[in-house]
Amino acid sequence: AQSVTQPDIHITVSEGASLELRCNYSYGATPYLFWYVQSPGQGLQLLLKYFSGDTLVQGIKGFEAEFKRSQSSFNLRKPSVHWSDAAEYFCAVAQGSGTYKYIFGTGTRLKVLA
Amino acid sequence: NAGVTQTPKFQVLKTGQSMTLQCAQDMNHEYMSWYRQDPGMGLRLIHYSVGAGITDQGEVPNGYNVSRSTTEDFPLRLLSAAPSQTSVYFCASSYGGAGGVEQFFGPGTRLTVL
Repeated sequence: AQSVTQPDIHITVSEGASLELRCNYSYGATPYLFWYVQSPGQGLQLLLKYFSGDTLVQGIKGFEAEFKRSQSSFNLRKPSVHWSDAAEYFCAVAQGSGTYKYIFGTGTRLKVLA
Repeated sequence: NAGVTQTPKFQVLKTGQSMTLQCAQDMNHEYMSWYRQDPGMGLRLIHYSVGAGITDQGEVPNGYNVSRSTTEDFPLRLLSAAPSQTSVYFCASSYGGAGGVEQFFGPGTRLTVL
């Protein structure tokens, strides 16, 4: 069965430090991958997505992610974290084109130290 | 555009009570879905709809009913609430169900069942 794993439940970084959030997926074909962010008390907002082409994708708020098929990973990165990036981050996979089912990871909560 | 709206924002029910969570979107999206979010479990798909009159079950459909009579609205019904349904519920919509399509999320409804 398809699945998404986010191995880090909590991550704490200092403001200005770099960030990498891990995401691994299990899916037989080429997946459609997403990263969403959820600020406290809010809904989810799309940061970026990948479904074909360049394996390094750029998103909003200075985030990027790299698709590595050999490692079944889609890690999210940011070179310099801002205090406003404190939130919960979700990786998600859609089970191929034409599907209507999205699977979300369990989320990584990011804390930013001033 | 208001995007995806959900009402109510908060609700407390007693075991056995029924209620309907409302979801509406004004983007003319064909695809709508309901998720529940529980600590440490990410978002899990309850039901989804690919258009008016068409619904299907997601990962955790038991205890919930849906219908889709219009493109705009996708209510979620709890017929007999149970404490296990205490959760935060999110409605989402997108213009298609294809894998690379972004879902737009509502702000959520926090439900407590006593």
